[in-house]
Amino acid sequence: GESVGLHLPTLSVQEGDNSIINCAYSNSASDYFIWYKQESGKGPQFIIDIRSNMDKRQGQRVTVLLNKTVKHLSLQIAATQPGDSAVYFCAENIQGGKLIFGQGTELSVKP
Amino acid sequence: GAVVSQHPSRVICKSGTSVKIECRSLDFQATTMFWYRQFPKKSLMLMATSNEGSKATYEQGVEKDKFLINHASLTLSTLTVTSAHPEDSSFYICSARGIKDSLSYGYTFGSGTRLTVV
Repeated sequence: GESVGLHLPTLSVQEGDNSIINCAYSNSASDYFIWYKQESGKGPQFIIDIRSNMDKRQGQRVTVLLNKTVKHLSLQIAATQPGDSAVYFCAENIQGGKLIFGQGTELSVKP
Repeated sequence: GAVVSQHPSRVICKSGTSVKIECRSLDFQATTMFWYRQFPKKSLMLMATSNEGSKATYEQGVEKDKFLINHASLTLSTLTVTSAHPEDSSFYICSARGIKDSLSYGYTFGSGTRLTVV
């Protein structure tokens, strides 16, 4: 089945620490995955993406890991800053080009 | 980069009236547009997919007569919430894929529309 939205889990970290946000996706045929950041009252903002033929991709301060065996994605944010506080969603591109969102995690960064 | 403009950002309407939300791709041709709905503290739920010049494909449970989607051009899609009721109050977000991005499966999101039905 497709991912269904649930109440958001929360992650609280200290400024400067690394954050790891996890996501389980639903469709083994999904071939492309994206992490988004969403601030209150705004649309999702692209962070980083990864194709299914890769297991790791790095950006600026962010790394995405993909484990297809267990259908798991993670987003690692290095040296987390207060401006990183937001809700983070993983999304999977399923058959037909639809982008389906995971449940999301609310990241709170303490100064 | 690709930019999608969504308008209005906020709208308040009376029960029974209809509201139109516009989603425009500003610098690329949007061959496919997606409409999402988001409740507070929840994830984005896909409502429908529209391809330019074709009828929209609605997700299970989404009333097509309630949520009218038009994608008549490569730069504009509209979502009309007809005969709105308070339970239609939500955050509506559009996303577009286009020729510019097709090779990289790009999805560009609008800034969302907060609809409040009173």
